[in-house]
Amino acid sequence: AQRVTQPEKLLSVFKGAPVELKCNYSYSGSPELFWYVQYSRQRLQLLLRHISRESIKGFTADLNKGETSFHLKKPFAQEEDSAMYYCALTRTGGFKTIFGAGTRLFVKA
Amino acid sequence: GAGVSQSPSNKVTEKGKDVELRCDPISGHTALYWYRQSLGQGLEFLIYFQGNSAPDKSGLPSDRFSAERTGGSVSTLTIQRTQQEDSAVYLCASSLGVDTGELFFGEGSRLTVL
Repeated sequence: AQRVTQPEKLLSVFKGAPVELKCNYSYSGSPELFWYVQYSRQRLQLLLRHISRESIKGFTADLNKGETSFHLKKPFAQEEDSAMYYCALTRTGGFKTIFGAGTRLFVKA
Repeated sequence: GAGVSQSPSNKVTEKGKDVELRCDPISGHTALYWYRQSLGQGLEFLIYFQGNSAPDKSGLPSDRFSAERTGGSVSTLTIQRTQQEDSAVYLCASSLGVDTGELFFGEGSRLTVL
C-alpha cells in the first residue's frame, strides 16, 4: 500500500540555520511527490512538486527513488518559514493524493 | 471569490446528532477531495470524486460517513450519529482533473462533538 511518512512532528531551528524536513514514501509505481504548506490562519497550499524541479521561497526538494525519499531543504531558515509542512504523493491516471502526518517547523529568532 | 468554499466554518454538535458539511469547488475543477485534519493524525484521506467515475471511498472510517457530489460540482459530507472522535477539521480540495497535480484547499469546517 502507498504510504507517506514524515518522521518529525516538530522541528525547531534558529533563524539562518539550515533546515531539512524529511519525507519517505512507499509506492511500487512511479509516484509524483509534492510539498504543501499551511501558514498560521491560512489555507493549505502547494509549495513545490518534484516534476517542476524548481526552488520556491528558497526551498528545494529532490526525489531520491533509491531511498524513496523527498526531503525538503532550505539553506538558511527565516522566521516566516514557520508553518506546518505536509509531504504528499499521487500518481498519474487519476489516483488520489495522500498526505503524511505533517511536520511543524518553528524558526526561532 | 474563485477559491474552494466550505460551510459551515464551525459546527458544534451533540454526540449522536447528524451533521452535513458542504464544499463548493473551484468552477471547472472535475476532481474533489475530502480530508480530515486532526492533531497528530495529519491529513487523513476520506473520499475522492473524479468526473463521472465512481468515487474512491476507501478512506471513509466507518459507515457513518458518506459523501455525494451533485452535478459534478457541490459536494456534501454527511456524518451520522456523530461521536466525540469525529471532532476535527474537515478539509475539501479540488483540482482541474486527472494528472493535474495541484490541489486547491478550502478553509475547512471545524467540527466539535460534545
